[in-house]
Amino acid sequence: EPEVTQTPSHQVTQMGQEVILRCVPISNHLYFYWYRQILGQKVEFLVSFYNNEISEKSEIFDDQFSVERPDGSNFTLKIRSTKLEDSAMYFCASSGFYPTDTQYFGPGTRLTVL
Amino acid sequence: RKEVEQDPGPFNVPEGATVAFNCTYSNSASQSFFWYRQDCRKEPKLLMSVYSSGNEDGRFTAQLNRASQYISLLIRDSKLSDSATYLCVVNMDSGYALNFGKGTSLLVTP
Repeated sequence: EPEVTQTPSHQVTQMGQEVILRCVPISNHLYFYWYRQILGQKVEFLVSFYNNEISEKSEIFDDQFSVERPDGSNFTLKIRSTKLEDSAMYFCASSGFYPTDTQYFGPGTRLTVL
Repeated sequence: RKEVEQDPGPFNVPEGATVAFNCTYSNSASQSFFWYRQDCRKEPKLLMSVYSSGNEDGRFTAQLNRASQYISLLIRDSKLSDSATYLCVVNMDSGYALNFGKGTSLLVTP
C-alpha cells in the first residue's frame, strides 16, 4: 500500500539553526500539506501546496517557514531560524486529485529545539 | 475563530462495550468531515469519512447533523486494539486545510 514517508524521524537542533524536514508524498498525489502537533495539543495546519505553489497557509506559517518541491518526489519544509516553540511533531500529508480527497499522513518528524 | 470541539475524555470502557464520541464544529461552511485515529506519538490515520446520511464501517458508525453542526462516532463491541485517541476533523473554508479537534482518548480494558 502506498504511503507517505518522512525523514528524519527525529531532529535535534540548537535555537537559531536552520532545519529542513523531508517528505516523499504518495506518488500520484497532487496536493501536499504540512501540519504540526505540539506535545499534548491538537494537530495544526501549516501550509498546503499544489501545482508548485502554496495554495493556502495558516498564521503559524510565517516568514521563517518555507516549502519546496525540489524534484518530482520530495516535498520539504524549511525552518530558517528555529525557536524553542518550534519543538513539535511535524507531519506531512498528501491527497489525490481534489483538495477534498482524503489526506494521508506520514509518520512525522519529531523536532526538538534546544 | 473556527473550532472543532470534542470531549477530551478519557473514556475507560471494558472490552465488548459500546462507546460514543461527540464533536461540534463552528464553521457552517465546512463540507468534509472525518474521524481519524491517532495512537500515542504516531500520525493521524483515517478511520472513516462522515456523510450526511450517516455511514457504517463494521463496528463503527458515524453520524452528521449539519443543522446542529454535530458529528458523532459510535464504536460497538470495543476491542483492546481500539484504545487510541479519536480525532474529529473538518475541512476549512477553502477545502484544503483540515481543522482538527483535540481528540477524545479511549482506553479499552480487559
